Amino acid sequence: DAKTTQPPSMDCAEGRAANLPCNHSTISGNEYVYWYRQIHSQGPQYIIHGLKNNETNEMASLIITEDRKSSTLILPHATLRDTAVYYCIVEIQGAQKLVFGQGTRLTINP
Amino acid sequence: ETGVTQSPTHLIKTRGQQVTLRCSSQSGHNTVSWYQQALGQGPQFIFQYYREEENGRGNFPPRFSGLQFPNYSSELNVNALELDDSALYLCASSLGPGGSYEQYFGPGTRLTVT
Repeated sequence: DAKTTQPPSMDCAEGRAANLPCNHSTISGNEYVYWYRQIHSQGPQYIIHGLKNNETNEMASLIITEDRKSSTLILPHATLRDTAVYYCIVEIQGAQKLVFGQGTRLTINP
Repeated sequence: ETGVTQSPTHLIKTRGQQVTLRCSSQSGHNTVSWYQQALGQGPQFIFQYYREEENGRGNFPPRFSGLQFPNYSSELNVNALELDDSALYLCASSLGPGGSYEQYFGPGTRLTVT
Protein backbone atom coordinates (compact mmCIF):
# COMPACT_ATOMS: atom_id res chain seq x y z
CA ASP A 1 0.00 0.00 0.00
CA ALA A 2 1.04 3.55 -0.65
CA LYS A 3 2.58 5.32 2.34
CA THR A 4 1.31 8.74 1.30
CA THR A 5 -1.98 10.63 1.47
CA GLN A 6 -2.93 13.22 -1.12
CA PRO A 7 -6.13 15.15 -1.86
CA PRO A 8 -7.94 13.49 -4.77
CA SER A 9 -8.30 16.68 -6.78
CA MET A 10 -7.28 20.33 -6.91
CA ASP A 11 -7.88 23.29 -9.18
CA CYS A 12 -5.55 26.17 -9.92
CA ALA A 13 -5.77 29.21 -12.18
CA GLU A 14 -3.34 29.48 -15.05
CA GLY A 15 -0.34 31.61 -14.15
CA ARG A 16 -0.74 31.09 -10.43
CA ALA A 17 1.36 28.85 -8.22
CA ALA A 18 -0.01 25.36 -7.71
CA ASN A 19 0.73 23.92 -4.28
CA LEU A 20 0.16 20.18 -3.96
CA PRO A 21 0.31 18.74 -0.44
CA CYS A 22 1.32 15.24 0.58
CA ASN A 23 1.28 13.56 3.97
CA HIS A 24 3.80 10.81 4.73
CA SER A 25 3.68 10.58 8.50
CA THR A 26 5.32 7.13 8.69
CA ILE A 27 8.33 8.01 6.56
CA SER A 28 11.61 6.41 7.64
CA GLY A 29 14.96 8.11 7.86
CA ASN A 30 16.30 6.52 4.69
CA GLU A 31 13.23 7.12 2.55
CA TYR A 32 13.09 9.76 -0.13
CA VAL A 33 10.07 11.71 -1.29
CA TYR A 34 9.51 11.51 -5.04
CA TRP A 35 7.00 13.34 -7.19
CA TYR A 36 5.86 12.11 -10.56
CA ARG A 37 3.04 13.28 -12.77
CA GLN A 38 1.01 11.55 -15.44
CA ILE A 39 -0.59 13.46 -18.23
CA HIS A 40 -3.56 11.70 -19.73
CA SER A 41 -2.65 8.54 -21.66
CA GLN A 42 1.09 9.01 -21.19
CA GLY A 43 3.65 7.32 -18.94
CA PRO A 44 4.46 8.99 -15.62
CA GLN A 45 7.08 11.73 -15.73
CA TYR A 46 9.62 12.33 -12.99
CA ILE A 47 9.41 15.82 -11.46
CA ILE A 48 11.64 16.05 -8.41
CA HIS A 49 12.78 14.21 -5.30
CA GLY A 50 14.32 15.00 -1.95
CA LEU A 51 15.42 13.56 1.37
CA LYS A 52 15.14 16.37 3.89
CA ASN A 53 16.28 19.59 2.30
CA ASN A 54 14.11 21.69 0.04
CA GLU A 55 14.82 21.09 -3.63
CA THR A 56 14.24 23.11 -6.78
CA ASN A 57 14.68 22.31 -10.44
CA GLU A 58 13.43 23.72 -13.70
CA MET A 59 10.02 22.13 -13.24
CA ALA A 60 9.13 22.60 -9.60
CA SER A 61 10.11 23.11 -5.99
CA LEU A 62 9.78 20.56 -3.23
CA ILE A 63 9.31 21.74 0.34
CA ILE A 64 9.73 19.06 3.02
CA THR A 65 8.78 19.87 6.59
CA GLU A 66 11.45 19.63 9.25
CA ASP A 67 9.90 16.49 10.76
CA ARG A 68 9.63 15.05 7.21
CA LYS A 69 6.04 13.99 7.80
CA SER A 70 4.67 16.07 4.96
CA SER A 71 5.77 17.86 1.83
CA THR A 72 4.47 20.28 -0.77
CA LEU A 73 5.17 20.31 -4.48
CA ILE A 74 5.08 23.80 -5.93
CA LEU A 75 4.59 24.57 -9.62
CA PRO A 76 5.45 28.27 -9.60
CA HIS A 77 3.56 29.43 -12.67
CA ALA A 78 1.06 26.78 -13.68
CA THR A 79 0.12 26.41 -17.34
CA LEU A 80 -2.66 24.42 -18.99
CA ARG A 81 -0.07 21.76 -19.85
CA ASP A 82 0.44 21.10 -16.14
CA THR A 83 -3.01 19.50 -15.95
CA ALA A 84 -2.22 15.94 -14.84
CA VAL A 85 -2.39 13.44 -12.00
CA TYR A 86 0.41 14.12 -9.54
CA TYR A 87 1.80 11.28 -7.45
CA CYS A 88 3.74 11.68 -4.23
CA ILE A 89 5.77 8.56 -3.46
CA VAL A 90 7.95 7.61 -0.53
CA GLU A 91 10.66 5.11 -1.28
CA ILE A 92 13.62 3.64 0.49
CA GLN A 93 16.91 4.78 -0.98
CA GLY A 94 17.95 2.64 -3.87
CA ALA A 95 14.86 0.43 -4.03
CA GLN A 96 13.44 1.93 -7.22
CA LYS A 97 10.21 -0.01 -6.87
CA LEU A 98 7.68 2.79 -6.84
CA VAL A 99 4.42 2.33 -4.94
CA PHE A 100 1.86 4.66 -6.47
CA GLY A 101 -1.28 5.77 -4.65
CA GLN A 102 -4.26 7.45 -6.26
CA GLY A 103 -2.49 10.79 -6.63
CA THR A 104 -3.98 14.27 -6.97
CA ARG A 105 -5.75 15.22 -10.16
CA LEU A 106 -4.66 18.81 -10.78
CA THR A 107 -6.71 20.87 -13.21
CA ILE A 108 -5.31 24.18 -14.42
CA ASN A 109 -8.10 26.51 -15.47
CA PRO A 110 -7.69 29.34 -18.01
CA GLU B 1 19.95 10.11 -26.30
CA THR B 2 16.80 8.09 -26.98
CA GLY B 3 14.07 7.72 -24.43
CA VAL B 4 12.23 4.62 -23.27
CA THR B 5 10.24 2.96 -26.02
CA GLN B 6 7.60 0.25 -25.83
CA SER B 7 5.95 -1.99 -28.38
CA PRO B 8 3.31 -2.54 -29.43
CA THR B 9 1.29 0.54 -28.46
CA HIS B 10 -2.01 -1.32 -28.45
CA LEU B 11 -2.89 -5.00 -28.35
CA ILE B 12 -6.09 -7.01 -28.23
CA LYS B 13 -5.98 -10.60 -27.01
CA THR B 14 -8.47 -13.28 -26.08
CA ARG B 15 -8.78 -14.77 -22.60
CA GLY B 16 -6.40 -17.71 -22.20
CA GLN B 17 -3.89 -16.47 -24.75
CA GLN B 18 -0.31 -15.42 -24.09
CA VAL B 19 1.24 -12.02 -24.77
CA THR B 20 4.74 -10.54 -24.94
CA LEU B 21 5.38 -6.85 -24.45
CA ARG B 22 8.70 -5.19 -25.20
CA CYS B 23 10.65 -2.31 -23.75
CA SER B 24 13.86 -0.59 -24.80
CA SER B 25 15.53 1.22 -21.96
CA GLN B 26 17.03 4.67 -22.12
CA SER B 27 20.65 4.76 -23.23
CA GLY B 28 23.00 4.04 -20.33
CA HIS B 29 20.32 2.58 -18.05
CA ASN B 30 20.79 -0.98 -16.76
CA THR B 31 17.55 -1.40 -14.81
CA VAL B 32 14.03 -1.91 -16.13
CA SER B 33 10.89 -1.99 -14.01
CA TRP B 34 7.44 -3.01 -15.20
CA TYR B 35 4.15 -1.63 -13.92
CA GLN B 36 0.48 -2.41 -14.55
CA GLN B 37 -2.00 0.44 -14.54
CA ALA B 38 -5.69 -0.42 -14.49
CA LEU B 39 -8.14 2.23 -15.63
CA GLY B 40 -8.48 4.98 -13.04
CA GLN B 41 -5.77 3.58 -10.78
CA GLY B 42 -2.13 4.38 -10.11
CA PRO B 43 0.52 2.08 -11.58
CA GLN B 44 1.32 -1.11 -9.66
CA PHE B 45 4.84 -2.54 -9.56
CA ILE B 46 5.13 -5.94 -11.26
CA PHE B 47 8.88 -6.65 -11.17
CA GLN B 48 12.30 -5.19 -11.83
CA TYR B 49 15.28 -6.45 -13.78
CA TYR B 50 18.85 -5.39 -13.09
CA ARG B 51 21.67 -6.64 -15.27
CA GLU B 52 19.53 -9.49 -16.63
CA GLU B 53 18.42 -10.77 -13.21
CA GLU B 54 15.07 -10.28 -11.51
CA ASN B 55 15.56 -7.84 -8.65
CA GLY B 56 12.27 -7.73 -6.83
CA ARG B 57 8.69 -8.59 -7.58
CA GLY B 58 5.35 -7.14 -6.62
CA ASN B 59 2.16 -9.01 -5.81
CA PHE B 60 1.62 -10.62 -9.20
CA PRO B 61 1.18 -14.34 -9.99
CA PRO B 62 3.87 -16.43 -11.70
CA ARG B 63 2.08 -16.23 -15.02
CA PHE B 64 3.63 -12.76 -15.21
CA SER B 65 7.26 -13.29 -16.16
CA GLY B 66 10.02 -11.28 -17.70
CA LEU B 67 13.42 -11.17 -19.29
CA GLN B 68 16.18 -8.65 -19.64
CA PHE B 69 18.68 -8.89 -22.45
CA PRO B 70 22.39 -7.98 -22.55
CA ASN B 71 21.53 -4.64 -24.14
CA TYR B 72 19.20 -4.04 -21.14
CA SER B 73 16.02 -4.14 -23.18
CA SER B 74 13.27 -6.19 -21.57
CA GLU B 75 10.19 -8.29 -22.20
CA LEU B 76 7.10 -8.84 -20.11
CA ASN B 77 5.26 -12.10 -20.75
CA VAL B 78 1.79 -12.87 -19.49
CA ASN B 79 0.37 -16.39 -19.84
CA ALA B 80 -3.23 -17.54 -19.58
CA LEU B 81 -4.61 -14.04 -19.99
CA GLU B 82 -7.58 -13.05 -17.83
CA LEU B 83 -10.06 -10.24 -18.38
CA ASP B 84 -8.58 -8.37 -15.39
CA ASP B 85 -5.22 -8.24 -17.17
CA SER B 86 -6.66 -5.50 -19.37
CA ALA B 87 -4.55 -2.47 -18.46
CA LEU B 88 -1.83 -0.08 -19.52
CA TYR B 89 1.56 -1.75 -19.09
CA LEU B 90 4.39 0.64 -18.40
CA CYS B 91 8.09 0.06 -18.31
CA ALA B 92 10.58 2.38 -16.71
CA SER B 93 14.34 2.45 -16.91
CA SER B 94 16.84 3.82 -14.44
CA LEU B 95 20.51 3.78 -13.58
CA GLY B 96 20.23 0.87 -11.19
CA PRO B 97 19.34 0.03 -7.61
CA GLY B 98 21.36 1.52 -4.83
CA GLY B 99 20.96 5.14 -5.71
CA SER B 100 18.17 7.68 -5.47
CA TYR B 101 17.71 7.67 -9.20
CA GLU B 102 14.60 8.76 -10.98
CA GLN B 103 12.83 6.37 -13.32
CA TYR B 104 12.05 7.22 -16.89
CA PHE B 105 8.79 5.78 -18.17
CA GLY B 106 7.82 4.72 -21.63
CA PRO B 107 4.45 5.57 -23.19
CA GLY B 108 3.00 2.18 -22.30
CA THR B 109 1.28 -0.68 -24.08
CA ARG B 110 -2.48 -0.81 -23.75
CA LEU B 111 -3.62 -4.41 -23.53
CA THR B 112 -7.25 -5.35 -23.93
CA VAL B 113 -8.33 -8.89 -23.10
CA THR B 114 -11.70 -9.98 -24.44
